[in-house]
Amino acid sequence: TQLLEQSPQFLSIQEGENLTVYCNSSSVFSSLQWYRQEPGEGPVLLVTVVTGGEVKKLKRLTFQFGDARKDSSLHITAAQPGDTGLYLCASLRGTYKYIFGTGTRLKVLA
Amino acid sequence: EAQVTQNPRYLITVTGKKLTVTCSQNMNHEYMSWYRQDPGLGLRQIYYSMNVEVTDKGDVPEGYKVSRKEKRNFPLILESPSPNQTSLYFCASGPWEGPYEQYFGPGTRLTVT
Repeated sequence: TQLLEQSPQFLSIQEGENLTVYCNSSSVFSSLQWYRQEPGEGPVLLVTVVTGGEVKKLKRLTFQFGDARKDSSLHITAAQPGDTGLYLCASLRGTYKYIFGTGTRLKVLA
Repeated sequence: EAQVTQNPRYLITVTGKKLTVTCSQNMNHEYMSWYRQDPGLGLRQIYYSMNVEVTDKGDVPEGYKVSRKEKRNFPLILESPSPNQTSLYFCASGPWEGPYEQYFGPGTRLTVT
């Protein structure tokens, strides 16, 4: 069974610090999405990576897809309190089913 | 505005009383899906639909039903809710073409007593 493991589970940092969260699997991803979810709301799509080795940037967020397409990372530069939330990775499993990681809960302190 | 809507947002009900959570999207997406989110277990897929009249089970389908009679709507039906179905439910939709992204509704918090 394909699993998506995210680490760390929890992260509490000061405003201005940098951080990296990881998403790993024993299987190859066809594509991988990163979402951010705030309390009481639905996940919001941040980015999709498709090609092994791909790097995408979204302002202070940098997403990287591993060369073998089995892992991905999200790096945040100079974190701000507005970055606080649950970060989820997700991938298509098989033809029609999706699988989500258990998430990294980030808290950025002012 | 492109969006996925769910109703109700909050629901408290009793064991055995049938309920329906509605989901609608205005983006003409082929793919729609229901998830439940529980602490420590993450988001788990309940049912999905690839198009009108085409549905299939996800990882946790027991106790749930769905239907897809129109492309924009994908209701979730709990025929006889039980306390273990207390959860946060999300509907999502997406175009059925690469890179297969999904867009989520705001969620429905269900409590079954």
